[in-house]
Amino acid sequence: LAKTTQPISMDSYEGQEVNITCSHNNIATNDYITWYQQFPSQGPRFIIQGYKTKVTNEVASLFIPADRKSSTLSLPRVSLSDTAVYYCLVGFVDNQGGKLIFGQGTELSVKP
Amino acid sequence: EAQVTQNPRYLITVTGKKLTVTCSQNMNHEYMSWYRQDPGLGLRQIYYSMNVEVTDKGDVPEGYKVSRKEKRNFPLILESPSPNQTSLYFCASSWTGDEQYFGPGTRLTVT
Repeated sequence: LAKTTQPISMDSYEGQEVNITCSHNNIATNDYITWYQQFPSQGPRFIIQGYKTKVTNEVASLFIPADRKSSTLSLPRVSLSDTAVYYCLVGFVDNQGGKLIFGQGTELSVKP
Repeated sequence: EAQVTQNPRYLITVTGKKLTVTCSQNMNHEYMSWYRQDPGLGLRQIYYSMNVEVTDKGDVPEGYKVSRKEKRNFPLILESPSPNQTSLYFCASSWTGDEQYFGPGTRLTVT
């Protein structure tokens, strides 16, 4: 069973790049890695997903090394509105279903 | 507007009184799931459904039931709630379980 681990909290300043790493040592071969953002009193919101190497979209990048035992969410030039909790999620999905395991969440605080 | 709705948003009940939390999505998603979120424990999957009439246990299914009679609805049933089920519950949907859309959450208190 995949288990995910990530730092509990991180601090940053506006305009900096923030990297949050999640470890998932037991990830199965066909697991995807997904990252979500959550603000207080709201449900998580999808940020980015990847399987291997690097994925980039308009808000973030995701780096996954060849062994896939970890992944790093990169947020370029953060702003105050990026203050939130960030979760990695390891999914195992096939035609028979599977389980989804969230990390404990990283509380990012962006300061002016 | 594409969305996942949950009802009720807040619920206070007593031990042993059966309750149902409804979840509905309007995106024609095949995959739906329930999570609970607790301080220090993060989000944990309770049950999920890959399609109509197909449900399976997540990480913490004990004390919960689900059903998926229609694609858009996925109710969570607590037959005999206990105080340790006091939590914040989220329903989510997606095409395959990947990019999931979450509902606004249901805060349940069992006394």
